[in-house]
Amino acid sequence: GAGVSQSPSNKVTEKGKDVELRCDPISGHTALYWYRQSLGQGLEFLIYFQGNSAPDKSGLPSDRFSAERTGGSVSTLTIQRTQQEDSAVYLCASSLGQGAREQYFGPGTRLTVT
Amino acid sequence: EDQVTQSPEALRLQEGESSSLNCSYTVSGLRGLFWYRQDPGKGPEFLFTLYSAGEEKEKERLKATLTKKESFLHITAPKPEDSATYLCAVQMMDSSYKLIFGSGTRLLVRP
Repeated sequence: GAGVSQSPSNKVTEKGKDVELRCDPISGHTALYWYRQSLGQGLEFLIYFQGNSAPDKSGLPSDRFSAERTGGSVSTLTIQRTQQEDSAVYLCASSLGQGAREQYFGPGTRLTVT
Repeated sequence: EDQVTQSPEALRLQEGESSSLNCSYTVSGLRGLFWYRQDPGKGPEFLFTLYSAGEEKEKERLKATLTKKESFLHITAPKPEDSATYLCAVQMMDSSYKLIFGSGTRLLVRP
């Protein structure tokens, strides 16, 4: 079956512009996660959705970052007024639900802020 | 502070030369420990979940084990296609099911 898909695969933007990153989870997966992977660093948790609700937004680095999920499926991560330090690979993952269940990752969106 | 530490940072092996990767963790309560493989330019690929000390899981040339403080990923007779970054992550009991990742071990297997 289809895995997690993300778009775009690559995004180059100018400092100060807003960007939207999209994630399509595996069909039937109720939990969705966003992570960020910066060069030379490990994966960093950003936000978690259960259904359309985000019980944990603790990883969002600033109020320039926001995310939403609609219909219990597609999620969008928005970064406003991008800064160079926002350059990273943004990874989305989904899982069947809560609990110690495997998270399946998409291919990521590589964001470059110039 | 909850931490996940992987060692070594990088490992070069000759094809057929078995070895182990280490993941040590300090968390207040472990819900599960996960191993992923990541190839360049791709997202992490799930390998194993371990829940309790003493548990072992195997897949082809890989075997993952878990103790109360660390996990090992044993690679038996590796092949060049096993070359990748191997990531360890933990999920805590009192968390929102997020994963806390280590920085990974870059494995290169030479033919």
